[in-house]
Amino acid sequence: SAVISQKPSRDICQRGTSLTIQCQVDSQVTMMFWYRQQPGQSLTLIATANQGSEATYESGFVIDKFPISRPNLTFSTLTVSNMSPEDSSIYLCSVGQGSDTQYFGPGTRLTVL
Amino acid sequence: DQQVKQNSPSLSVQEGRISILNCDYTNSMFDYFLWYKKYPAEGPTFLISISSIKDKNEDGRFTVFLNKSAKHLSLHIVPSQPGDSAVYFCAASGNSGYALNFGKGTSLLVTP
Repeated sequence: SAVISQKPSRDICQRGTSLTIQCQVDSQVTMMFWYRQQPGQSLTLIATANQGSEATYESGFVIDKFPISRPNLTFSTLTVSNMSPEDSSIYLCSVGQGSDTQYFGPGTRLTVL
Repeated sequence: DQQVKQNSPSLSVQEGRISILNCDYTNSMFDYFLWYKKYPAEGPTFLISISSIKDKNEDGRFTVFLNKSAKHLSLHIVPSQPGDSAVYFCAASGNSGYALNFGKGTSLLVTP
């Protein structure tokens, strides 16, 4: 499976600021996804990062709040904008190669004060 | 609405015994099911999967059973080892897309 890295691994941010999370894969992948895991909750898909086009967002998530870029087949970013304490979560990117199995990065633990 | 449910938040098993983790789902369109293991401060690690055309898939110490009529799957780990102590997530996807729907996880503790 692909090796996936995320930066930063964790951060503590002030309310109202924005944070950009990077996801880097060591090989070209077809599909890249962004998930969120709020405390005590399951993983929830935020959006599918599409290479060369706008991301596809799930219900409840909007581009203004979670802008996503995917400039090539190995890299994607997720920005958490205008943060509030409710955005404190673990953010994970995952990749898929066309099969249904997805492989996850190590996650970014975000705390918003 | 939680479409994948893991009703046991935690499970404790003695080393060498069998661990059975359960998962129920509500969406009959799900056709692919996965189990992930997660250690603290790490991302979920893929363990094993099963397609809806099968009722059993085995990989070493790990076996997943699928009962489509009951919309239920289970993960059996035998024999259990202390290194298996982690949170286990059940996930499901349907043929309408690649989104994985996750349960809330079951924390497994394997005691020596």
